Amino acid sequence: GQNIDQPTEMTATEGAIVQINCTYQTSGFNGLFWYQQHAGEAPTFLSYNVLDGLEEKGRFSSFLSRSKGYSYLLLKELQMKDSASYLCAVRDSNYQLIWGAGTKLIIKP
Amino acid sequence: AAGVIQSPRHLIKEKRETATLKCYPIPRHDTVYWYQQGPGQDPQFLISFYEKMQSDKGSIPDRFSAQQFSDYHSELNMSSLELGDSALYFCASSTQGGANEQFFGPGTRLTVL
Repeated sequence: GQNIDQPTEMTATEGAIVQINCTYQTSGFNGLFWYQQHAGEAPTFLSYNVLDGLEEKGRFSSFLSRSKGYSYLLLKELQMKDSASYLCAVRDSNYQLIWGAGTKLIIKP
Repeated sequence: AAGVIQSPRHLIKEKRETATLKCYPIPRHDTVYWYQQGPGQDPQFLISFYEKMQSDKGSIPDRFSAQQFSDYHSELNMSSLELGDSALYFCASSTQGGANEQFFGPGTRLTVL
């Protein structure tokens, strides 16, 4: 079956760095997405990885290792507004997005 | 920039009633997706359309149907509503048949009483 694992909840301090991990087992791979979702709101696109390596976009970076079925989202200089759920999603061989359950990130002052 | 539009934003229905949710994708986006998200859960893919044809089907109940019209807007029709259908329903759109990232609408919060 298809499976995406990420921690349920993480806590970090304002101004710090946090890494959210995602491991996946899917039927085929056509890219991995990270989305941010505030409670009751729509997911918003953060990053996309299809090749191994690190993609940097401002305070956010995403890493992919296809051989390990592993990705992480790195958030630097954390701000209170970064408190949200972070969803890892993998596009399988049918170009369907398989979603992880999301990691709820709590930022403390 | 234009975003995905969904209507209504909130909907309250009784059990066994019907509901129709509408989605207007970003202009020139050719693919529309429907998702159901329960509280504290990840989005569950229901169905997608590419160029007005159904392209993929997920965990959509038989009581639900959807279509995409000539102007690319899509409607999700839900019949014989059950309490468990209460959820946030998101529509997302993308280009190139889903090769690019999906942009989500604000969602419709459906409450079934």
